[in-house]
Amino acid sequence: QQQVKQSPQSLIVQKGGISIINCAYENTAFDYFPWYQQFPGKGPALLIAIRPDVSEKKEGRFTISFNKSAKQFSLHIMDSQPGDSATYFCAASTTGTALIFGKGTTLSVSS
Amino acid sequence: NAGVTQTPKFQVLKTGQSMTLQCAQDMNHNSMYWYRQDPGMGLRLIYYSASEGTTDKGEVPNGYNVSRLNKREFSLRLESAAPSQTSVYFCASSLRAAGNTGELFFGEGSRLTVL
Repeated sequence: QQQVKQSPQSLIVQKGGISIINCAYENTAFDYFPWYQQFPGKGPALLIAIRPDVSEKKEGRFTISFNKSAKQFSLHIMDSQPGDSATYFCAASTTGTALIFGKGTTLSVSS
Repeated sequence: NAGVTQTPKFQVLKTGQSMTLQCAQDMNHNSMYWYRQDPGMGLRLIYYSASEGTTDKGEVPNGYNVSRLNKREFSLRLESAAPSQTSVYFCASSLRAAGNTGELFFGEGSRLTVL
């Protein structure tokens, strides 16, 4: 059973555009929702994270939007740059469990 | 700081061979993890260790064993490698125990091919 469903699998965005990646979850006990960024040949690194007591969190050009009732959260990358080209993973966890990751989205930002 | 160090970075095995992937962290973290990454499958948890002396199965533990040697080191062993274990393996660590929302710090991965 896939606990965190991520879409799309791949995404191509023009430089300066908005990249949007979506995730949905089923386990209502999840209480921590991070996004990780991975460049080729490297391990993933934490990008931004949110807890369900807030609906939005912004860090620079990166924003997480969280919809608790729909059990969905999304990553928005404003003014996308070629340097943002990477694989992005959403994840979720609750007390007593390790992070469960989505299948990833490969983002390509064309210049 | 080296962070999370994995060895080896690349390995080719024949079916049935055994090997151990080594992982060490120098951040004094309590929890350590092994994930595997396969195309289109994301990161799947194999085993984790919430603290020194404890280990727990993750989503895909079959065919693997782990040892939390001490607080710094967490090894992953393949006793009899199979082609289905061809993957990129990532070790990670976090300051707080699993499930307490600590940030995961990943190594750069070990690419394993089983022929």
